[in-house]
Amino acid sequence: ELKVEQNPLFLSMQEGKNYTIYCNYSTTSDRLYWYRQDPGKSLESLFVLLSNGAVKQEGRLMASLDTKARLSTLHITAAVHDLSATYFCAPRSARQLTFGSGTQLTVLP
Amino acid sequence: EAQVTQNPRYLITVTGKKLTVTCSQNMNHEYMSWYRQDPGLGLRQIYYSMNVEVTDKGDVPEGYKVSRKEKRNFPLILESPSPNQTSLYFCASSPGKGLEQYFGPGTRLTVT
Repeated sequence: ELKVEQNPLFLSMQEGKNYTIYCNYSTTSDRLYWYRQDPGKSLESLFVLLSNGAVKQEGRLMASLDTKARLSTLHITAAVHDLSATYFCAPRSARQLTFGSGTQLTVLP
Repeated sequence: EAQVTQNPRYLITVTGKKLTVTCSQNMNHEYMSWYRQDPGLGLRQIYYSMNVEVTDKGDVPEGYKVSRKEKRNFPLILESPSPNQTSLYFCASSPGKGLEQYFGPGTRLTVT
């Protein structure tokens, strides 16, 4: 059974600062998704990482995947208020996605 | 517009009163799924369907039923709701199992 651990679960950061969210998973996975959920809203797909060493960037967010370490990171550069949301990682194993508990990010002015 | 719709969006009900939450997608996706979201627990899968008339249990299926009579629809049925089923429910669809999932807007259910 695939277990997923995200760290931290809660993150408050100042605008303009950088930070990284970590997603560890317990068994072999062949791809990993990152989703964003705004308060009171649904989930939207941000990135899909398909192979070891994959890196995807969109604006101030950059995601990477290390399949050997079973670790994905979501790096936030020069945070802005609009990035306040909950971020979920979801590795795939045996064609099944398992979602992490989510990281609730609050960007403070 | 490609989308997943759910109804109702909000529902308050009493213990034991049967209810159905509908889910429909217009993307011709084969795979559909139901999740519940609870604070600190992330999303947990209730049931999924690989295609019409093919359904299977997810991680937390107890107390729920589903059916898939048409490709576009995947209703979630609570035959006898209990307070521990108070949660935020999401329906999702994707072209296939393990591929990117597209989520509906969510249904907030309260069982008193």
